[in-house]
Amino acid sequence: DQQVKQNSPSLSVQEGRISILNCDYTNSMFDYFLWYKKYPAEGPTFLISISSIKDKNEDGRFTVFLNKSAKHLSLHIVPSQPGDSAVYFCAALSGVSSGSARQLTFGSGTQLTVLP
Amino acid sequence: DTGVSQNPRHKITKRGQNVTFRCDPISEHNRLYWYRQTLGQGPEFLTYFQNEAQLEKSRLLSDRFSAERPKGSFSTLEIQRTEQGDSAMYLCAGTSLLEAFFGQGTRLTVV
Repeated sequence: DQQVKQNSPSLSVQEGRISILNCDYTNSMFDYFLWYKKYPAEGPTFLISISSIKDKNEDGRFTVFLNKSAKHLSLHIVPSQPGDSAVYFCAALSGVSSGSARQLTFGSGTQLTVLP
Repeated sequence: DTGVSQNPRHKITKRGQNVTFRCDPISEHNRLYWYRQTLGQGPEFLTYFQNEAQLEKSRLLSDRFSAERPKGSFSTLEIQRTEQGDSAMYLCAGTSLLEAFFGQGTRLTVV
C-alpha cells in the first residue's frame, strides 16, 4: 500500500515555463513533507520542505503548496531551467509535532525534463 | 556535497557471496538511515539508528541483512548470501533535524 503517490512518472516543460509536480498521500498522520531531487548515479538532494501547519513555503524558484484536506501537495518551479531536469521525489514524515519523527516515506518519483 | 560518504560506489558480486557497505555521516548526524532504491521506485526504508541504537527495521530487511553503527559514527550494512533480487542502489542518509541528507549511494549488482 503506497502511502505517498506520485502518479505522473514523467513531465516535460519548456525552459522558462512553470513546472508543477504533484504528490498525494493517504496517511493522515503525516505532518511534514519534503521534496528531493535526484540526478542519475547520485543520492537524492533535499530541495524544500513544508510543515502541515502551513499551506505554502517558498525558496527562490521553488514553492511547495500543501492542501491538507485533499491530502495533496505540489512543487512549483518557476522559471524552469534545463539544469532542473532530474527525478523529483515527494517524501513525508509522521510524528514530527510529537517529537517522534522516524523514517521518510517516499513516492515513486517524477522525471522532469526541461527542454531548452 | 552533503558530507555523507558511502563506499564503495559500485559493487558487482556473484550470487551467494556476502557484501558489506559503509556509510560515513557527518558528526552532527545523530540519526542515520539506510534505504534501498530500485529502478522506477522511490527509496524504500530499511533501517535507522539513533546514535548507536538501531531503533527500527523494515520488514524488507530479511535475516540476510544486518546493519551496525558502532559508537554512533559510521555505519555498515551487510548482506549475506546475496540474491539477484538484492541488486539495487543502497542509500545512506544522516540527519540531526528533519531533512535527511543522502550520500551518493552504493550500486549493487548481483550476477
